[in-house]
Amino acid sequence: QVQLQQWGAGLLKPSETLSLSCAVFGGSFSGYYWSWIRQPPGMGLEWIGEISHSGRINYNLSLGSRVTISVDTSKNQFSLTLSSVTAADTAVYYCARDDSLCSAAGCLRAIDYWGQGAPVTVSS
Amino acid sequence: EIVLTQSPAILSLSPGERATLSCRTSQSINNYLVWYQQKPGQAPRLLLYYASNRATGIPTRFSGSGFGTDFTLTISSLEPEDFATYYCQQRFNWPITFGPGTKVDI
Repeated sequence: QVQLQQWGAGLLKPSETLSLSCAVFGGSFSGYYWSWIRQPPGMGLEWIGEISHSGRINYNLSLGSRVTISVDTSKNQFSLTLSSVTAADTAVYYCARDDSLCSAAGCLRAIDYWGQGAPVTVSS
Repeated sequence: EIVLTQSPAILSLSPGERATLSCRTSQSINNYLVWYQQKPGQAPRLLLYYASNRATGIPTRFSGSGFGTDFTLTISSLEPEDFATYYCQQRFNWPITFGPGTKVDI
């Protein structure tokens, strides 16, 4: 059974850097994309970005240059840093596995495993 | 960026009733649509991909349809555990975007 376990600082001051990590247990690390998604309190989901095991990256450009996603294949881990945080970055942050699901129509990626979520609050 | 809208925002129903949820996209995405279910305090759960294909372990009461810009998630007969918020997501291009969600409430 695949499990994603995430950790990182939960309380930040404005202008600080958010750092979260996610470890993958119970499954292969290669062959997948690994994603970060966040959810502000009482609101919907926002895709932050993704990284493949080989380091291919896609970011949500709405976050500009503040976001960095990295991978450590030796530890089956991937990480998120978000610099210069503001109150608008307050959210539950999820790490997730993005798998390629195939049917007669072809193959489409979708998120099939999620971490437990890490609440992050930005407040002075 | 492709914008997704979901309607209604809240759907008030009773167990045993049929639920019909709508998701519309700002441009055609073929059938590159995914549906998730989220319960309070939990991570989302994958329901459907390619608009109509059930993910592993998803009951047959969940079905999906649509192509282009209009999509529907149907729950044929609501079970107590189905009361949750449902999100659609487009996988046509980046950035990947989600709809704002439909809450299925008792």
